[in-house]
Amino acid sequence: NAGVTQTPKFQVLKTGQSMTLQCAQDMNHNSMYWYRQDPGMGLRLIYYSASEGTTDKGEVPNGYNVSRLNKREFSLRLESAAPSQTSVYFCASSHEDRGQETQYFGPGTRLLVL
Amino acid sequence: DQQVKQNSPSLSVQEGRISILNCDYTNSMFDYFLWYKKYPAEGPTFLISISSIKDKNEDGRFTVFLNKSAKHLSLHIVPSQPGDSAVYFCAANNLYQAGTALIFGKGTTLSVSS
Repeated sequence: NAGVTQTPKFQVLKTGQSMTLQCAQDMNHNSMYWYRQDPGMGLRLIYYSASEGTTDKGEVPNGYNVSRLNKREFSLRLESAAPSQTSVYFCASSHEDRGQETQYFGPGTRLLVL
Repeated sequence: DQQVKQNSPSLSVQEGRISILNCDYTNSMFDYFLWYKKYPAEGPTFLISISSIKDKNEDGRFTVFLNKSAKHLSLHIVPSQPGDSAVYFCAANNLYQAGTALIFGKGTTLSVSS
């Protein structure tokens, strides 16, 4: 089991460029999430998908779009990157077990927007 | 308004002593609490959790205490080891609320010296 995988590990973009961050999980989890982590800010939710075919906005969705391609894959797209989107992006997936839900994270994508 | 607060950005402890990391929350609807550990350049990893129906959960060297009346939880690590040096995030959610994504605190950096 690879768990949650993310590609790329690191990316540099120029302002205005677009890119898609990929995430896949092999744990058969229904829910998937995208977070960003900024210094001193903890992890903030960008978008999530409670199940295949559904997506919802989180705390900081502006400037991003997502696609839940299938149960395994959940991608995050930046249509026109801005320096404020320089961050570390984490994908996570979760399952519920006896009323408790635990999220498992990927290794992260470090994005630098110049 | 921060719903989950970790008021100590950092904590330094000697090897073998107890580490106590604290977390406060404001939303009385939270019913599930988790602690994550994060090493540099890696994703957060799940450490331990507690349901609101309990006041203590123990797993090896790690114990989480929950005081619902004070809206406070703490993570105790005994004995602390140098490998425990990491950023610790407290997180909470309400499983019965729409959009059950985790709300994270900003993290506490633990340094354990040998």
